[in-house]
Amino acid sequence: GAGVSQSPRYKVAKRGQDVALRCDPISGHVSLFWYQQALGQGPEFLTYFQNEAQLDKSGLPSDRFFAERPEGSVSTLKIQRTQQEDSAVYLCASSPGTANTEAFFGQGTRLTVV
Amino acid sequence: GDSVTQMEGPVTLSEEAFLTINCTYTATGYPSLFWYVQYPGEGLQLLLKATKADDKGSNKGFEATYRKETTSFHLEKGSVQVSDSAVYFCALSPNYGGATNKLIFGTGTLLAVQP
Repeated sequence: GAGVSQSPRYKVAKRGQDVALRCDPISGHVSLFWYQQALGQGPEFLTYFQNEAQLDKSGLPSDRFFAERPEGSVSTLKIQRTQQEDSAVYLCASSPGTANTEAFFGQGTRLTVV
Repeated sequence: GDSVTQMEGPVTLSEEAFLTINCTYTATGYPSLFWYVQYPGEGLQLLLKATKADDKGSNKGFEATYRKETTSFHLEKGSVQVSDSAVYFCALSPNYGGATNKLIFGTGTLLAVQP
C-alpha cells in the first residue's frame, strides 16, 4: 500500500480481555515504531524494531504489553488482560532507514477498554 | 530525561493572521527537532525538521529555527489559512550514541483558523 496501515481502526475491549493490534508498514521500511497517545496528549514511545529485531522496548508500560515483528514487515502489538488505563490511540510508524529519516505514521487504532 | 514543552491551545486566529507556536526542549546531546501536524481524521505528518543548531526547517509557508542557546524550535507562519486548522506537535529525536531513533513529543497545540 501507499502508506502505513493499521487495523482495526477502532477496538472496544472488556476489561481483562486480550487484544491484538496490527501494523502494516510501508514496504521495505527497516524501522518500525509503536506509540501510545492518550486523549489530549502527545504520542509516547512504546517500542522500536529494526527489521525483525526489537532493539528498544523501554516504553512498554508493563509486562502485559508485547510486540513482535517476526518477518521484519508486519508488526503486532498485543495487550493482555486489558485495563481501563490502556484506553488510548495506538500509533504505528515506519521509516526507511535507521537514523534521522522521516517517520511515516498510520492513522492509529483507538482502543477503548470498558 | 529528554522532554518537549509546547504552548497549550487552542490557538484561534483569523485567516491571514501571523502564527507562532512556542516549543522548548530539554535533551542530552544534540537532538534533531521536528514539527508534525495532524489534520482532522488523518495520521501524523511531518511538517518540517532541523537536525543541527541554527538550521531552519520550512515547508508550506511554515518555518522553525533550531536555537540551541534558548533550546527552542518555535513554529511560525506569516499568513494562516483555514486549511491550516489542525493539531501541531513539536518533537525531538535523541542523537547520542546508542539512542533509538524514537520521537519524544510535546502535548500538541490545536490551531483553529476562522474565515
